Amino acid sequence: DIQMTQSPSSLSASVGDRVTITCQASQDISNYLNWYQQKPGKAPKLLIYDASNLETGVPSRFSGSGSGTDFTFTISSLQPEDIATYYCHQYDNLPFTFGPGTKVDIK
Amino acid sequence: EVQLVESGGGLVQPGGSLKLSCAASGFTFSGSAVHWVRQASGKGLEWVGRIRSKPNSYATAYAASVKGRFTISRDDSKNTAYLQMNSLKTEDTAVYYCTRWGANWGYDYWGQGTLVTVSS
Repeated sequence: DIQMTQSPSSLSASVGDRVTITCQASQDISNYLNWYQQKPGKAPKLLIYDASNLETGVPSRFSGSGSGTDFTFTISSLQPEDIATYYCHQYDNLPFTFGPGTKVDIK
Repeated sequence: EVQLVESGGGLVQPGGSLKLSCAASGFTFSGSAVHWVRQASGKGLEWVGRIRSKPNSYATAYAASVKGRFTISRDDSKNTAYLQMNSLKTEDTAVYYCTRWGANWGYDYWGQGTLVTVSS
């Protein structure tokens, strides 16, 4: 199985800050990686697909990059409504696997 | 409007069975793969399994943790997918989500989740 790691596991930042989360796959997954946002008590929401493509309706302050084994997710200017846990997710190989998540809150 | 609505969750004893349903509307259900993802309280997301569409032979796949115990099926005439869970263990306690595998190769729509509690 492909193992996904994320760092940091949590972070605290100020409104307007640039926030970066990294995700690493245990083997090459090309660009078969998505990013999801999950707010407490809610289902996850797709933000980025194919590593770098913004899902329709998602604010442009969210972005993703990377390929192979190393990926980055960025919030260019953190907003109060971005408080959530963010997960990377590989779909290159079955079983699909998620990263452990990164909890983002406001300092 | 696309909707996925799970039902069937509840309390079950270890070793018992439960069948979850995922009723879909607002899109061509028969053309979409459906995945199940679960989340234990305070924990991360865990992929459970998936069923593909008829053109893809309704192919199923499962996580190792549930393989041989869980079965995913679908009834396209009812726009509904199912997760049959047998030989349940306490570690299967979680909120179970059904989700659509969308054209952008991501989970673009999710249900609200249904809680399964395995406890004596």
